[in-house]
Amino acid sequence: EAGVTQFPSHSVIEKGQTVTLRCDPISGHDNLYWYRRVMGKEIKFLLHFVKESKQDESGMPNNRFLAERTGGTYSTLKVQPAELEDSGVYFCASSRQQGGTGELFFGEGSRLTVL
Amino acid sequence: DAKTTQPNSMESNEEEPVHLPCNHSTISGTDYIHWYRQLPSQGPEYVIHGLTSNVNNRMASLAIAEDRKSSTLILHRATLRDAAVYYCILRDVGTGNQFYFGTGTSLTVIP
Repeated sequence: EAGVTQFPSHSVIEKGQTVTLRCDPISGHDNLYWYRRVMGKEIKFLLHFVKESKQDESGMPNNRFLAERTGGTYSTLKVQPAELEDSGVYFCASSRQQGGTGELFFGEGSRLTVL
Repeated sequence: DAKTTQPNSMESNEEEPVHLPCNHSTISGTDYIHWYRQLPSQGPEYVIHGLTSNVNNRMASLAIAEDRKSSTLILHRATLRDAAVYYCILRDVGTGNQFYFGTGTSLTVIP
């Protein structure tokens, strides 16, 4: 079974540019999560999809961030325009169960560097 | 947002047991205690979870205090591959599915 895959593994862009990160969850996992760690800080929750619907987007920092999950399969996280403080590692995770005690499977992360 | 407190770092000798503590004094009745670990350049990896009773799996054991305000992750025989940052996380399944990561404990395993 393939794990959670994220692309790109590393992206370097200039301030003001746009970047789109992609996450392919494990097949059959309805729940998809985005997290990020900015430099020196803790890993923070961004949002949670159940299939194609946003269940909880309370962690999204501002309206420069847009997440989508068309068709309930892969997800994209777009940052437009990128700012310096957006630099960090963005993790995607998926799980089969929404509630209960489901284990989250994380991808290896997409490192974003904004210059 | 931090709901757990862990030591920043710990050391262990290879093949010896390791006890990683976590305090979560504000835990609610609907919070499950999860442990994840993160190896260098990888995403977090599930280790174990529990609610009230102690739990064992192939990777580790989880000991939960009776009042649930603290827990301990036990690695029975540390190996070099266990060197990672270990996160003690409360999963609120009553009001949502967010994971609140803390700062974690960086475990160093000494050969």
